[in-house]
Amino acid sequence: DAKTTQPNSMESNEEEPVHLPCNHSTISGTDYIHWYRQLPSQGPEYVIHGLTSNVNNRMASLAIAEDRKSSTLILHRATLRDAAVYYCILRDYGQNFVFGPGTRLSVLP
Amino acid sequence: GAGVSQSPRYKVAKRGQDVALRCDPISGHVSLFWYQQALGQGPEFLTYFQNEAQLDKSGLPSDRFFAERPEGSVSTLKIQRTQQEDSAVYLCASSLYRGSPDTQYFGPGTRLTVL
Repeated sequence: DAKTTQPNSMESNEEEPVHLPCNHSTISGTDYIHWYRQLPSQGPEYVIHGLTSNVNNRMASLAIAEDRKSSTLILHRATLRDAAVYYCILRDYGQNFVFGPGTRLSVLP
Repeated sequence: GAGVSQSPRYKVAKRGQDVALRCDPISGHVSLFWYQQALGQGPEFLTYFQNEAQLDKSGLPSDRFFAERPEGSVSTLKIQRTQQEDSAVYLCASSLYRGSPDTQYFGPGTRLTVL
């Protein structure tokens, strides 16, 4: 399975933008980049996904490098509720999700 | 609409006991997945159902783990003769289909503690 590398932890101040990086140098042409997050005592929840182009939704933006070997999840204004573990996952059709340890985001008031 | 629900939310078992964990997926979702999440780790895939068929059980750690989805909706994960290393959160997820980029919707999990 393709692998991703994320920082173990990051901190942000409330109401400031947060850029969560993910490296995936072995990505294949058909791998989608998915981001999920897991709030304390909850199951993971979908955040965003993309293939080649940058993506925006109501929760976040996903910026994908031109060579697709890295991507960045952007939270435009962090809130206390955004404190969670963020997982960057590569997944091709029919494959299973492979979660790494993710990035633990702390949001300071 | 209702999301994925799991029961019980917490389960304490003595070593050697059998346990059964239930998952109610989102209505109409074809695909159902079970994951195991150890403390401080990301979820790890256990098994996958498409309707009632168990198409992938490559992640089940031993033959003590058994899952079923007899009518293609509710699923049960059973662990026989529980061991301390089975202590973890067990997550269930469902999706319309399995194909990427189909979104998986997760339940809150069942925290199993084996004493």
